[in-house]
Order: sequence, then C-alpha cells, then structure tokens
Amino acid sequence: EDQVTQSPEALRLQEGESSSLNCSYTVSGLRGLFWYRQDPGKGPEFLFTLYSAGEEKEKERLKATLTKKESFLHITAPKPEDSATYLCAVQGAGGTSYGKLTFGQGTILTVHP
Amino acid sequence: EAGVAQSPRYKIIEKRQSVAFWCNPISGHATLYWYQQILGQGPKLLIQFQNNGVVDDSQLPKDRFSAERLKGVDSTLKIQPAKLEDSAVYLCASSINPGGEQFFGPGTRLTVL
Repeated sequence: EDQVTQSPEALRLQEGESSSLNCSYTVSGLRGLFWYRQDPGKGPEFLFTLYSAGEEKEKERLKATLTKKESFLHITAPKPEDSATYLCAVQGAGGTSYGKLTFGQGTILTVHP
Repeated sequence: EAGVAQSPRYKIIEKRQSVAFWCNPISGHATLYWYQQILGQGPKLLIQFQNNGVVDDSQLPKDRFSAERLKGVDSTLKIQPAKLEDSAVYLCASSINPGGEQFFGPGTRLTVL
C-alpha cells in the first residue's frame, strides 16, 4: 500500500524567511509525485509533477525536488500570500487504479508580514 | 477554460438522511475522481471513472455510498443513509487521462448532525 508522510504538520515563517517542506513516501513503482496547494474552503490547486529522482521544478518562489524516498518543497523568500496548506501525493504503479493519488496529511504554512 | 464545477457547496443533514452531490468535469476530461477529505487530513480516493466505467471503487463504502457517471460526463455521488463520520469535504477532480494532472473542484462540505 502506498504511503505518504509530510513534515512538519505546521510551519510558521516570517516574510522573507526561506524554508523547506518534506514529503516522505513509500510506493510500489512511482509513476509521479505531485505537489498541490490548498487554500481554506477551496479544492487543491496543482503546482508540480516530478517523475524521477534528481528532477527539479520551479515556479516563482517554489522549487520542488525529488529523491528515491522523499521530495522537498523549498520556499524562497516567502510572502504572506504563500500561506496555505501544501499537499504531497504519489501515483503508484501497483494496484488496480492507474491514476489514483495517495495524499499526505499536508503541511499548513503561515507566513507573517 | 471552465474548471471543475460542484454543487451544492455546503450541505447539513441529520444522520440516517440521504444526500447527493453533483460534479461537472472539465470538458474533454475522460477520467473523473471523487475524493473524501476529512478535516486535517489529505484527500482519500473514493471512486475513479474512466468515461462512464468504474476503474477503482475499492475504498468506497458500498453499503451506503454509490456513484454514477452517465454518458461519461457529469457524475453524482450519493450517501444513503449518512453517518456522523461522513462529515467531510467531498472533492471531485478530473484529468484528460488516468496519468495526467488532476484538476479539483471547490468541493462540497457535508456536515452530518
């Protein structure tokens, strides 16, 4: 069974204070690792897909990296508008469902001005 | 491009009552997913459709939950009868194909009293 664990559960930063969120996973054949952002009262919003170890992707102040066991979401010089819950999910090759995402519990990021 | 539409946005019912949620995916998206997100947790897949066929319903409580996707477009998720533990946000997502990026709707927040 695919499993995803995110840490920390909550992170409070000052504006401009860079940090990283961690996503550890176990999966039977990784098809893709996904990062989503979720604002209160809204559905998850897609950020990145990573497919193989060593891959990196960037978007504005966010950079996602992938190893064989974990992924990091690096936030450089965050702003208050980056405050949200960040969800990590894996799509595995095992099981009957090609497409199923297994999510972690999320990291709640709060950026103070 | 219009996103994934869901209705209603909020629903409050008494336990043992019935409830139905509706989802309209992004036009042209063959794959449709229903996820359940309990407060403080990541989304959990309930059922996945490919066109109008069920691909994976292994985590759907079939004694009380049912879903259909007639004509391969809109989908309805029903709970009958509801239990207190069904209180959650029900998210609908769609993708062009099973391995593709999943786009989420705003969700329906269900409260069972």
